[in-house]
Amino acid sequence: SQQGEEDPQALSIQEGENATMNCSYKTSINNLQWYRQNSGRGLVHLILIRSNEREKHSGRLRVTLDTSKKSSSLLITASRAADTASYFCATDPTGANNLFFGTGTRLTVIP
Amino acid sequence: EAGVAQSPRYKIIEKRQSVAFWCNPISGHATLYWYQQILGQGPKLLIQFQNNGVVDDSQLPKDRFSAERLKGVDSTLKIQPAKLEDSAVYLCASSHHITGRFSGELFFGEGSRLTVL
Repeated sequence: SQQGEEDPQALSIQEGENATMNCSYKTSINNLQWYRQNSGRGLVHLILIRSNEREKHSGRLRVTLDTSKKSSSLLITASRAADTASYFCATDPTGANNLFFGTGTRLTVIP
Repeated sequence: EAGVAQSPRYKIIEKRQSVAFWCNPISGHATLYWYQQILGQGPKLLIQFQNNGVVDDSQLPKDRFSAERLKGVDSTLKIQPAKLEDSAVYLCASSHHITGRFSGELFFGEGSRLTVL
C-alpha cells in the first residue's frame, strides 16, 4: 500500500506543550503534505515538503522529512486548544498530485 | 475567494437505493478529486479529473460508482445501488495542479455524509 501511517493514533497534551506526530510511508515520493481536519469538516492543507527538502517551517509548525527512512514528522509548538483536530500526512509518489492519505493522529489539546 | 462547494451535506438512504453528490470546485482549478472517508480512517482517493478527463479511477468501484465532470467544472459522483459499506463522508477537493507542471495543495469541501441503512 502507498498509504502513510501516522503515529501515535491519538495524542493528548496540555495547552502550551509541543505536539509531535510521525508519518511513515512505503514508496518513494515526490512530496509529502500534512493536513488538518476538525471534527465533521473538510481537510485543510498545512504544509508541503518536497523530496529534496529536509525541514520546513510555517508559523508554529515544523516538518521534517527523512527519505532514507521513509518518514516525516510534524511538530506543533506552543499548542493551543484550537489545535485540537486530526492530522493526516499525504504522500504524492509521482508528482501527479495523486495523494495517498495516512490513518491520522487525533490530537487533543487540553486548556 | 469562494471555496469548494458540495451538496447535499447529509443523506440517508436505504441499501440498494441510488444517491448523487455534487461538487463545484474553486474557480480556475483544473484538477478535481473525489475521496471517500470512512469513520476513523484517512481519505481514500476514488477518482481524479484533470479538466474533464480522468487521470486516475483505479480505486473507483465501477460496478456501482460513477463520476463525471462535464465541461471541466462541476462534478457529480453517483452510487447505484448503495451498499451498507458505502456509509462514509464523500469529500471533493480541487487543485491548481496540472500534470507535468507542478504539485500543490488540495482544497477540500466540507463533505457529504452518507448513511446507508
